[in-house]
Amino acid sequence: QSVLTQPPSVSAAPGQKVTISCSGSSSNIGNNYVSWYQQLPGTAPKLLIYDNNKRPSGIPDRFSGSKSGTSATLGITGLQTGDEADYYCGTWDSSLSGVFGGGTKLTVL
Amino acid sequence: QLQLQESGPGLVKPSETLSLTCTVSGGSISSSSYYWGWIRQPPGKGLEWIGSIYYSGSTYYNPSLKSRVTISVDTSKNQFSLKLSSVTAADTAVYYCARSLFYIVGATKNWFDPWGQGTLVTVSS
Repeated sequence: QSVLTQPPSVSAAPGQKVTISCSGSSSNIGNNYVSWYQQLPGTAPKLLIYDNNKRPSGIPDRFSGSKSGTSATLGITGLQTGDEADYYCGTWDSSLSGVFGGGTKLTVL
Repeated sequence: QLQLQESGPGLVKPSETLSLTCTVSGGSISSSSYYWGWIRQPPGKGLEWIGSIYYSGSTYYNPSLKSRVTISVDTSKNQFSLKLSSVTAADTAVYYCARSLFYIVGATKNWFDPWGQGTLVTVSS
């Protein structure tokens, strides 16, 4: 069982907006920065968001991140079929360990 | 453009030691501010952080794996390596190496970019 809790799946229609939640505690999200990763089928994860809400170069502004207290949220607007993937949140835990969420499968209907 | 590539045996017998190497190209493994990490993903499951190392040799390990894990660095070859001892079928996974921005000043930053393509290691007799 993952330290960070994500919904197993979310879905939305093309062009719509979706949000993916990541719930933790004061031992992890509450006191550290959150990152988000996109894993397309059969490929390695790719960094989407770092430091809670920053996008690496090349990541479109359709992707956004936010953090409030012990939870974080990934938002994706203008959904495209190419966004179908697994999404993971990650952070650091006071147990001196990197931790990830269990992953959320996004389906674009 | 920084690239990472994992290499090592794809099949390991139970109770033996899994050994993988990550070769970094397009940049120096000795660059400051960055750690170098290993992350694994069992088939059909989520990501698990294994550990990270700085070019000086400073390491952080997942407490749940710490007794079995050793991560080392060879700056002359621009490589870092993973050894996981006493493996069982539960260690079957795709193993990724990645550059890690790891910074502990108050709130900790710990993100991974870029990632290697990953290598599947199966534990079976």
